[in-house]
Amino acid sequence: DAKTTQPTSMDCAEGRAANLPCNHSTISGNEYVYWYRQIHSQGPQYIIHGLKNNETNEMASLIITEDRKSSTLILPHATLRDTAVYYCIVRRGNYQLIWGAGTKLIIKP
Amino acid sequence: SQTIHQWPATLVQPVGSPLSLECTVEGTSNPNLYWYRQAAGRGLQLLFYSVGIGQISSEVPQNLSASRPQDRQFILSSKKLLLSDSGFYLCAWSTGARNSPLHFGNGTRLTVT
Repeated sequence: DAKTTQPTSMDCAEGRAANLPCNHSTISGNEYVYWYRQIHSQGPQYIIHGLKNNETNEMASLIITEDRKSSTLILPHATLRDTAVYYCIVRRGNYQLIWGAGTKLIIKP
Repeated sequence: SQTIHQWPATLVQPVGSPLSLECTVEGTSNPNLYWYRQAAGRGLQLLFYSVGIGQISSEVPQNLSASRPQDRQFILSSKKLLLSDSGFYLCAWSTGARNSPLHFGNGTRLTVT
């Protein structure tokens, strides 16, 4: 089963770009990479997803390496409200999301 | 816009008691619906998903069951709770389109004592 590996925790200064790495070396050719974040005691919030091209939306950018074995989520101008646990997820089929333990991102003033 | 509601937000139940958690979605038709459980400090585990009324797929054999009596209603149940059923239960929905994102409710924190 494809799974992901992320750092346990990271710090970032407020106003700077936060770059969150993720390894998914066993990903299959048709499996998408998703990113969610979870603020304590709330449901996960969808951020972005992609297959092999880089993606950008109003929240973040997703950079996927050419071999698709890793990706980076970029929050361009981190704010204190971006403090959360960030999950990099591989989607297997249409119904199964393979969740890891995530990265705890702390934005510091 | 679409919204998802889960209740209750927190629940404390004794071992052996029944459970019923409810989830409803507004603003969309024929959504895919999901129940997940999250243990403390861990990622989410898919318990059940449904692609239509009365259609339930179970991912993990356990003490729980799910039902979908209406298009936008999803219920998680147990006849007799175990201590190991404690956790954070999350309902989610997505459209039927392939690879459409899941959108989660704010969860129910269940403590079995």
